[in-house]
Amino acid sequence: AQTVTQSQPEMSVQEAETVTLSCTYDTSENNYYLFWYKQPPSRQMILVIRQEAYKQQNATENRFSVNFQKAAKSFSLKISDSQLGDTAMYFCAFMKGDLGGSEKLVFGKGTKLTVNP
Amino acid sequence: NAGVTQTPKFQVLKTGQSMTLQCAQDMNHEYMSWYRQDPGMGLRLIHYSVGAGITDQGEVPNGYNVSRSTTEDFPLRLLSAAPSQTSVYFCASSYLTEQYFGPGTRLTVT
Repeated sequence: AQTVTQSQPEMSVQEAETVTLSCTYDTSENNYYLFWYKQPPSRQMILVIRQEAYKQQNATENRFSVNFQKAAKSFSLKISDSQLGDTAMYFCAFMKGDLGGSEKLVFGKGTKLTVNP
Repeated sequence: NAGVTQTPKFQVLKTGQSMTLQCAQDMNHEYMSWYRQDPGMGLRLIHYSVGAGITDQGEVPNGYNVSRSTTEDFPLRLLSAAPSQTSVYFCASSYLTEQYFGPGTRLTVT
């Protein structure tokens, strides 16, 4: 079974600064996907970024980037130039790579990020 | 395109009552799933379906039933609600790695 661990229940950062959220996972699979989801107070789950395990290049989406260390099973999220709208819960999630019936997500417990003005 | 819709948005039940949480999607996705979110626990998979007529259990299936008679709909049934089922429930549909979440239902069981 896969597990996802987020060791930081809460974090805070000043507006315009950079913050890194940690995530580690455990799996025996070689082919898989990793995700970061954002959940603002509205409760909506929003995909922030996705990483395919077979890709060595770290994924980036505007101010969001990941540091994917496959051997260490680590998948951290860096938010640059933090904005007040980044205040939210952030969930790291794992999906096995054998799609077609296995699109199940395993989530970490989340990190509550607060961006202070 | 409405995406994934869930009804109701909020619900209060008494212990022992039954109810059905509705979920519908208009994207013709084969895969649909139900998660529950509890404080400090992240989201946990309750049941999922890989197509009409096919359902399977996730991590926390006890106390919940599902059926999938059409591609569009995937209702979640609580036959006898318990306080431990107080949670926020999310339905999702997916195509490959793209997961589309509904807005959630906040359920309180007293």
